[in-house]
Amino acid sequence: VTLLEQNPRWRLVPRGQAVNLRCILKNSQYPWMSWYQQDLQKQLQWLFTLRSPGDKEVKSLPGADYLATRVTDTELRLQVANMSQGRTLYCTCSADLLGASSYEQYFGPGTRLTVL
Amino acid sequence: AQSVTQPDARVTVSEGASLQLRCKYSYFGTPYLFWYVQYPRQGLQLLLKYYPGDPVVQGVNGFEAEFSKSNSSFHLRKASVHWSDWAVYFCAVSPTYTGNYKYVFGAGTRLKVIA
Repeated sequence: VTLLEQNPRWRLVPRGQAVNLRCILKNSQYPWMSWYQQDLQKQLQWLFTLRSPGDKEVKSLPGADYLATRVTDTELRLQVANMSQGRTLYCTCSADLLGASSYEQYFGPGTRLTVL
Repeated sequence: AQSVTQPDARVTVSEGASLQLRCKYSYFGTPYLFWYVQYPRQGLQLLLKYYPGDPVVQGVNGFEAEFSKSNSSFHLRKASVHWSDWAVYFCAVSPTYTGNYKYVFGAGTRLKVIA
């Protein structure tokens, strides 16, 4: 069962141009949504966790600047700017439970970004 | 600060042979631990998870992992590897307080299966 959809699945990004990514949650029982980046060496790094509509956060990392927004209970967005190296962005979701099971994260299919 | 080390960047095994992929973690207290698999050009799939309890946990596709607090390890094992297991395997540690989903991942181990 697919819990998350991400679009676009891939994008060529001209240097200096920003790109907007979307993640759609298909099951409301997993409302904790996060973004991770995976660099070209396959290293994974947590970026953000946003729970409530209206939540926003920004972060600058080597190679890209990020703005994450929880738009609705089912939609998470990420704007990627000033990207100098390609990467893949994954959204994840987790259940709103008490106890250990709430710490499982399920990954979406990812959006692969390549710098032109 | 928590960290995860996967000391073997690449592992090659013959189909049908046994497998162990190593994972060492650093965490104050007893963590939650996970193994994920990433097949070529795909996202990450959860293989198995450890929460405090039985140190040996079973996962999908015949995988299991053993937690050792004394060794700070969470090694992944499989008795007989299949060619379809060719993938990258990631070990991750999770904080154990509510609302924090900041997994820390190891660098991954690339598994190659040969005939």
